[in-house]
Amino acid sequence: AQKITQTQPGMFVQEKEAVTLDCTYDTSDQSYGLFWYKQPSSGEMIFLIYQGSYDEQNATEGRYSLNFQKARKSANLVISASQLGDSAMYFCAMRENQRAAGNKLTFGGGTRVLVKP
Amino acid sequence: ETGVTQTPRHLVMGMTNKKSLKCEQHLGHNAMYWYKQSAKKPLELMFVYSLEERVENNSVPSRFSPECPNSSHLFLHLHTLQPEDSALYLCASSRLGTRDDYGYTFGSGTRLTVV
Repeated sequence: AQKITQTQPGMFVQEKEAVTLDCTYDTSDQSYGLFWYKQPSSGEMIFLIYQGSYDEQNATEGRYSLNFQKARKSANLVISASQLGDSAMYFCAMRENQRAAGNKLTFGGGTRVLVKP
Repeated sequence: ETGVTQTPRHLVMGMTNKKSLKCEQHLGHNAMYWYKQSAKKPLELMFVYSLEERVENNSVPSRFSPECPNSSHLFLHLHTLQPEDSALYLCASSRLGTRDDYGYTFGSGTRLTVV
């Protein structure tokens, strides 16, 4: 079974509008971390935002915010005021058992966002 | 400049060649990772090195051989690859063990084509 599910393979968004990218996860750990990364066509994975499972408030980083609903096991990314440079692939990822050796991340399949002028 | 540098950026190799991918970080991180990203597939974790010791090998074929000589450098040695090994290979590094670990820092990747 997939641990990270991103149900939207691709989506269009109008410039200056907000967009929500869905992410659901599956874990039996009590302590875990959730991440979003952006991958432009150049290939580099750029860290956007982090949410810890014990964090009571939703994470925010500039135009990025994470809508964390722990009971539903969802961690949706909201990008406000979309810009043309936001066109990219977006990946949700989870790190389980944060104190284990390696701290490996498991990634979802990604959502491709295309911002229209 | 991302803090994690991968070379080469692009590599075309024949199935009988031997080549190596290099990854270097000077962020003070103590864990390093190799991921494979194929078209239309999620990122696949290949190897994990924690404190220079390999702690995970996800059933990767032996034609891929990792090496971590120190905490700043990670290599992926390639030999007798197959066309299906063509992909983007991403290196990442991270700190270990604390909730304040903000995940990975990735390199820009090596786009490998096996002909």
